[in-house]
Amino acid sequence: AQSVTQLGSHVSVSEGALVLLRCNYSSSVPPYLFWYVQYPNQGLQLLLKYTSAATLVKGINGFEAEFKKSETSFHLTKPSAHMSDAAEYFCAVSAPVTGNQFYFGTGTSLTVIP
Amino acid sequence: DTAVSQTPKYLVTQMGNDKSIKCEQNLGHDTMYWYKQDSKKFLKIMFSYNNKELIINETVPNRFSPKSPDKAHLNLHINSLELGDSAVYFCASSLTGGGTEAFFGQGTRLTVV
Repeated sequence: AQSVTQLGSHVSVSEGALVLLRCNYSSSVPPYLFWYVQYPNQGLQLLLKYTSAATLVKGINGFEAEFKKSETSFHLTKPSAHMSDAAEYFCAVSAPVTGNQFYFGTGTSLTVIP
Repeated sequence: DTAVSQTPKYLVTQMGNDKSIKCEQNLGHDTMYWYKQDSKKFLKIMFSYNNKELIINETVPNRFSPKSPDKAHLNLHINSLELGDSAVYFCASSLTGGGTEAFFGQGTRLTVV
């Protein structure tokens, strides 16, 4: 079975500070991992994905994530937060053995303080 | 050109009614999905479907049924609506195969009164 756990349902950072959103996964097979962002009243937009190539993945809007198998983690980071980064962030896992379904974490709401 | 489009965006209806939400994708994907997002933002997979297989989340009531007239469309029919069905429903699509991401529609906010 595949699942992801996001630690911290709410994270607040000051503008310009480091953003760190945590995601740990559980998978019986090598996973594919994703980070999505959801702005208010909108659908989900892909930030980045890990598909067993490079362990450090760069995405849009200055975000990146590192796949660490030993820690079963895929944390999302951004060196300097912008006001526009305030949104809901979801980590997700998929695997062909589950019909390619995507399983999402419970989400982390990011607040950026001016 | 919207990649995954859902209609309607908002739907308000009374308990006991039957309603449908339509979804279309123009990405050439072969797998489509329906997700339910509750008031706490939790996203739950309801169905995934391609031209070979329908996978149903066992926790979804049988009042919910997906119907796919062709590869580009996956509609969601809901019978005998209940208050607890109020949520945002998202359609998504992807290519079948490892590592491909899902593309999401803008969501349909269903309110049952």
